Amino acid sequence: EPEVTQTPSHQVTQMGQEVILRCVPISNHLYFYWYRQILGQKVEFLVSFYNNEISEKSEIFDDQFSVERPDGSNFTLKIRSTKLEDSAMYFCASSADRGQGGQYFGPGTRLTVT
Amino acid sequence: QKEVEQDPGPLSVPEGAIVSLNCTYSNSAFQYFMWYRQYSRKGPELLMYTYSSGNKEDGRFTAQVDKSSKYISLFIRDSQPSDSATYLCATYNNAGNMLTFGGGTRLMVKP
Repeated sequence: EPEVTQTPSHQVTQMGQEVILRCVPISNHLYFYWYRQILGQKVEFLVSFYNNEISEKSEIFDDQFSVERPDGSNFTLKIRSTKLEDSAMYFCASSADRGQGGQYFGPGTRLTVT
Repeated sequence: QKEVEQDPGPLSVPEGAIVSLNCTYSNSAFQYFMWYRQYSRKGPELLMYTYSSGNKEDGRFTAQVDKSSKYISLFIRDSQPSDSATYLCATYNNAGNMLTFGGGTRLMVKP
């Protein structure tokens, strides 16, 4: 069964450093998303991406964040200068349609900022 | 008012019980509703999605939407210890490009 994959599974970085989280969405999906979940809290939307453009972003997704689809299979989230409060699980998701069906999530990358 | 709310639990039931998990939402324009299962420190796993009102069944799982009361439910029949997880409800925003999640209900099924 097709699945979303994410690398690395765990990333430790120092405050102020740049990190790139990588995702391979399901191959025939066209819509891509990033969410995050701080330990013990809700899953929160960060950004959605379609046709090489951001279609929606939340207040969390400020200028420190960017997304890219560098080739036909990868989808990345970059945090330019990490803060302690960026420590969370980051989930990539993809869907075949917009606003219908479901979004399929990857296993997540645990980001720890020290 | 929070957009999507769930009782955090934990809900503890014996193996074989019927489980009822519930969620309320505030925006009457929401049309698509999803249930996810999340094991500790793992990604949400899509269980079911439903459109508008009515029931949808998949094996031991039944999802129910009551738009008049803005209430969605997930029923699990013959619950198993492997069903022990956090169950998240979610709905799309009006533009259909982001999911809003409830806080999740933690379920424990005891052998």
